[in-house]
Amino acid sequence: AQSVTQLDSHVSVSEGTPVLLRCNYSSSYSPSLFWYVQHPNKGLQLLLKYTSAATLVKGINGFEAEFKKSETSFHLTKPSAHMSDAAEYFCVVSDGGLSSYKLIFGSGTRLLVRP
Amino acid sequence: GAVVSQHPSRVICKSGTSVKIECRSLDFQATTMFWYRQFPKQSLMLMATSNEGSKATYEQGVEKDKFLINHASLTLSTLTVTSAHPEDSSFYICSAKLNSEAFFGQGTRLTVV
Repeated sequence: AQSVTQLDSHVSVSEGTPVLLRCNYSSSYSPSLFWYVQHPNKGLQLLLKYTSAATLVKGINGFEAEFKKSETSFHLTKPSAHMSDAAEYFCVVSDGGLSSYKLIFGSGTRLLVRP
Repeated sequence: GAVVSQHPSRVICKSGTSVKIECRSLDFQATTMFWYRQFPKQSLMLMATSNEGSKATYEQGVEKDKFLINHASLTLSTLTVTSAHPEDSSFYICSAKLNSEAFFGQGTRLTVV
């Protein structure tokens, strides 16, 4: 069975400093992995996705994530945080790979950005 | 990207009444849509998979008679919370998949009083 663990429930950074949101996954085969962002009382927006191509994935708004099979990790990073990055971030694995429609969500990490 | 529209965004209803939430794919056809539930400060949990023209598939522990799903067309799925109770208060989000990417509605905040 697939599962996703987000190691931090809250991350607080100062504006202009790097962001690291950690995610580990468990999968019996090559997974498809995603990062979504959710602003308060809003739907979810896809930041980036890994689908067994390049291990370093670049997304929108300056975010990127690196798929490390040996560490079963898919951490999300950004070189310099902006106030507008404050939101909830979800690491997600697709159950069954690209052909499957089920998404399994991590518990979420709330990113706080201090001025 | 593709757009999924969910309506209403907020609804308050009395205990014992039913509430219908609509999910529409605006610029693409979706044979399959998904309904999620999100409790405050928690993650999204898949409730059911809505299939156009056939019965929905419910996740374990989700009462199908309480959460009625209808997917009558390729662009519309509805979730009806029947005989709502305060414990049904939650944030409900739908999604539809296009070309391996899932697109989410804006969500519906349901409050049962």
